[in-house]
Amino acid sequence: KAGVTQTPRYLIKTRGQQVTLSCSPISGHRSVSWYQQTPGQGLQFLFEYFSETQRNKGNFPGRFSGRQFSNSRSEMNVSTLELGDSALYLCASALESVNYGYTFGSGTRLTVV
Amino acid sequence: GDSVTQMEGPVTLSEEAFLTINCTYTATGYPSLFWYVQYPGEGLQLLLKATKADDKGSNKGFEATYRKETTSFHLEKGSVQVSDSAVYFCALSSNQAGTALIFGKGTTLSVSS
Repeated sequence: KAGVTQTPRYLIKTRGQQVTLSCSPISGHRSVSWYQQTPGQGLQFLFEYFSETQRNKGNFPGRFSGRQFSNSRSEMNVSTLELGDSALYLCASALESVNYGYTFGSGTRLTVV
Repeated sequence: GDSVTQMEGPVTLSEEAFLTINCTYTATGYPSLFWYVQYPGEGLQLLLKATKADDKGSNKGFEATYRKETTSFHLEKGSVQVSDSAVYFCALSSNQAGTALIFGKGTTLSVSS
């Protein structure tokens, strides 16, 4: 079966711009989570959506937002980009919750210049 | 708050050597514990998990036992291969973290032939 698909794979943006990243979960998975991965901070939880509702949120500023559609596809948006937002953004999906074990996508590499 | 501590890397081994990557955690209650692996240029893959004390997770020759008395979940493999070279992440989910995974910093394993 198809895995978690993230688009685009690579993105270069300029400071102050905004960006939208997309994630298509495994068919049947209703939980979609987003993580930021950087060399300094490691893997940090951004937010989780379940059945179109944000169920959990990490400690990130309001510039980071997301949403989930009725087909479970999810997008995350970062507004007013800063250099420190350069990271690998990973999407993960699960049947119901984290205890089932997440399946991660390959990520979107965002570079802010 | 809840946290995960992994041994610092990199870990460099010869093929067929024994592997141990230490992981300890701090959490209230009874967290679920996970090991994920990340190969170069890819997202994370669930390697194994354990959801209660004394459970042993195993997969592809890797094993880890949930030790509540020592708050540990060390990853072991009896004979590593070059193809095991990757970054390994220990993680937990807990009532406090909700639906989020809390990750350790990751341990880089390099296996040479």
